[in-house]
Amino acid sequence: SAVISQKPSRDICQRGTSLTIQCQVDSQVTMMFWYRQQPGQSLTLIATANQGSEATYESGFVIDKFPISRPNLTFSTLTVSNMSPEDSSIYLCSAGGVEQYFGPGTRLTVT
Amino acid sequence: QKEVEQNSGPLSVPEGAIASLNCTYSDRGSQSFFWYRQYSGKSPELIMSIYSNGDKEDGRFTAQLNKASQYVSLLIRDSQPSDSATYLCAVESGGTSYGKLTFGQGTILTVHP
Repeated sequence: SAVISQKPSRDICQRGTSLTIQCQVDSQVTMMFWYRQQPGQSLTLIATANQGSEATYESGFVIDKFPISRPNLTFSTLTVSNMSPEDSSIYLCSAGGVEQYFGPGTRLTVT
Repeated sequence: QKEVEQNSGPLSVPEGAIASLNCTYSDRGSQSFFWYRQYSGKSPELIMSIYSNGDKEDGRFTAQLNKASQYVSLLIRDSQPSDSATYLCAVESGGTSYGKLTFGQGTILTVHP
């Protein structure tokens, strides 16, 4: 199974600012995804991070709000832009093949 | 809209009992099925995957899949207090959705001594 790290583990940000979350995998993986877990809720897929091309976003999520980069097969970033308190969530990256493994998550609080 | 539904819970069982967690899914074309365990404040941990009809056993865990009924379950035998967590059912539909997971809302399991 892939070992995944995320940075930062948590942050408190002011509304209107942006935060970039990094996801690093210990081996090359085919698929990387970004999920959001709002307080007390299950996981919702934000987008697929495609290596060498634009990310593919799920319904309700747009590139201007959640730009994603994937420069190689082991690394991806998610930016949460122009944040509002409604963006307060845990953001998780996952990686693998058909079996997906999750990073430890980034707990974001927007004040 | 692909949907995954889990029994609402919370589920409370005594130590040593069998815990039964259930999940139904709406997309008949779904290919792969997973159970994740999530401890409070932690990220989901993959504990079981199942791809074909029938049972799959791994230690105290047994996953059961019935594609005709669009139903997947997880049995935990000899439940321990350390099994207390939220259990998430996840479904992957294959094809253009390869690797993408749709999660149920989770079932909170409490195992009491």
